[in-house]
Amino acid sequence: KAGVTQTPRYLIKTRGQQVTLSCSPISGHRSVSWYQQTPGQGLQFLFEYFSETQRNKGNFPGRFSGRQFSNSRSEMNVSTLELGDSALYLCASSQEPPGYGTEAFFGQGTRLTVV
Amino acid sequence: AQKVTQAQTEISVVEKEDVTLDCVYETRDTTYYLFWYKQPPSGELVFLIRRNSFDEQNEISGRYSWNFQKSTSSFNFTITASQVVDSAVYFCALSEAPHPSTGANSKLTFGKGITLSVRP
Repeated sequence: KAGVTQTPRYLIKTRGQQVTLSCSPISGHRSVSWYQQTPGQGLQFLFEYFSETQRNKGNFPGRFSGRQFSNSRSEMNVSTLELGDSALYLCASSQEPPGYGTEAFFGQGTRLTVV
Repeated sequence: AQKVTQAQTEISVVEKEDVTLDCVYETRDTTYYLFWYKQPPSGELVFLIRRNSFDEQNEISGRYSWNFQKSTSSFNFTITASQVVDSAVYFCALSEAPHPSTGANSKLTFGKGITLSVRP
């Protein structure tokens, strides 16, 4: 079956702009999580959605937001981009939320560069 | 609060050597899950293994083996007879049981990762 699909794969944006990233989970998976990966901070949790509800949010400013649609596809939005937002953004899908122990399957990520 | 420490940052071995990747975790929960993921240059994290806090049975799967010890809060991963294709970044991760009504803690907490280079 198809894996987790993230689009676009690469993005270059200018400071102050906003960006929307998309994630299509594995069919049948209802939980989608987002992570930011940078060389300095490593993998950091952004938020998790389950059945269209945000169940958990990481320690990121309000410029970072997301949503999940009825088909489980998810989008995350970053407004007023800053240079420090340059990162690999990874989406993970699982049948149940992470705390229930089901393995998460990750997409290849969106590489965002802010100039 | 949950925390995962991977003290090793980079390991370089010659092909066919055995290599052990260390992972130490912190959690106050009695119910939790531990994972190992591999991240090749393509970027996606590939799931390797999961263990719950009630299952300390160690496992061997082909060239891979895992050693889970609650007494030392460690979940180490060994590759036997390493190969060049094993070169990647390896992450240890922890998830605690989520709050039943709020969903708090419903996340994976990752270590900083270990870059493994296997030379021919």
